[in-house]
Amino acid sequence: ILNVEQSPQSLHVQEGDSTNFTCSFPSSNFYALHWYRWETAKSPEALFVMTLNGDEKKKGRISATLNTKEGYSYLYIKGSQPEDSATYLCASANNAGNMLTFGGGTRLMVKP
Amino acid sequence: DSGVTQTPKHLITATGQRVTLRCSPRSGDLSVYWYQQSLDQGLQFLIQYYNGEERAKGNILERFSAQQFPDLHSELNLSSLELGDSALYFCASSVEALAGEQYFGPGTRLTVT
Repeated sequence: ILNVEQSPQSLHVQEGDSTNFTCSFPSSNFYALHWYRWETAKSPEALFVMTLNGDEKKKGRISATLNTKEGYSYLYIKGSQPEDSATYLCASANNAGNMLTFGGGTRLMVKP
Repeated sequence: DSGVTQTPKHLITATGQRVTLRCSPRSGDLSVYWYQQSLDQGLQFLIQYYNGEERAKGNILERFSAQQFPDLHSELNLSSLELGDSALYFCASSVEALAGEQYFGPGTRLTVT
């Protein structure tokens, strides 16, 4: 069983602040790490899928890094905007690659 | 809009009953995944189908079953419902069997009274 943990549980920032949060996962039998963005009353939306140690991915103001040896990933948001307010979920895929174990999420609130 | 559709959007039923949730994946996606989101728990993986065959099973109760049909739509059957089965049920799809990006449907909110 994989235990995926995210911190912090929630975060309040001001518009324009940059922020980051952490996902930790068991490094043994690692296959892939996913990040999803989940807005209230909507469904989770894929941000990144990362597989290689040292991988870094970017989409606009959002980027993520991956360390598979120590079992953590960081998600960064540069210059947060109110529309970034959402819950950010990470999920680790089992070594067969098809079963995701999700963390509890980090709830981000950006104040204008 | 992810392209994944789920019906119904809401379902209210009584304990002991049986319900069927339906999911149509994005066009071209062969894999369908079912997840449960309870009030006090994160997203829990239930089961995966790929091109009509079961590929992976997670924390799915014996009272629950699923299948994927030749047209690739999937159904999740929940029987002998209990109050604790009240949850948001998501379906997701992806192109391949392995966990690439998954596209989530809008979910079905099940309330068991």
